[in-house]
Amino acid sequence: EAEVAQSPRYKITEKSQAVAFWCDPISGHATLYWYRQILGQGPELLVQFQDESVVDDSQLPKDRFSAERLKGVDSTLKIQPAELGDSAMYLCASSLETPPTDTQYFGPGTRLTVL
Amino acid sequence: KQEVTQIPAALSVPEGENLVLNCSFTDSAIYNLQWFRQDPGKGLTSLLLIQSSQREQTSGRLNASLDKSSGRSTLYIAASQPGDSATYLCAAATRAGNMLTFGGGTRLMVKP
Repeated sequence: EAEVAQSPRYKITEKSQAVAFWCDPISGHATLYWYRQILGQGPELLVQFQDESVVDDSQLPKDRFSAERLKGVDSTLKIQPAELGDSAMYLCASSLETPPTDTQYFGPGTRLTVL
Repeated sequence: KQEVTQIPAALSVPEGENLVLNCSFTDSAIYNLQWFRQDPGKGLTSLLLIQSSQREQTSGRLNASLDKSSGRSTLYIAASQPGDSATYLCAAATRAGNMLTFGGGTRLMVKP
């Protein structure tokens, strides 16, 4: 069964350092999402791509976060510089079509700890 | 702005009980509502998706209902098992694309 791949699974960094997360969606899925989940809370959308274009990045802290999906397939989320409050699980999801019918499939996530 | 709330935040039941998890949302103009399961430290697994035109969806021992007018959805789990222990999240798809707004989740513990 096809799955969303993410790496690394765990990342520990010191504040002010740069970190990057990678996501490979299910083959053929045009829509890709990055969510951030703080421990004990539900995920919150950071950015949504349709192919290589950003659909929604209104919740992305653009002073330190950036996301790209250059060829419309895999995607990278970067944080520079990392802050203590960035410690969270970063989840990537993909779906086949835009609304209203499609299910989002989530990857295993990258757990970030900022010291 | 859509807000999604789940009550209770945590629930502990003995094995075999039937249980109901609640989800409420503030904006009834949703496209669909989804229920997910999340095991500790893991990603989310989709359980059920209810389109805005539907009232309920069933999968095995799970049944999810949707009442848009009252802004509520429930997830019914029949004959609970220890393997059902996990966090259950509901999420509403908004007007603007398929962006999901999540509730905070209900952490379920089923005791043998």
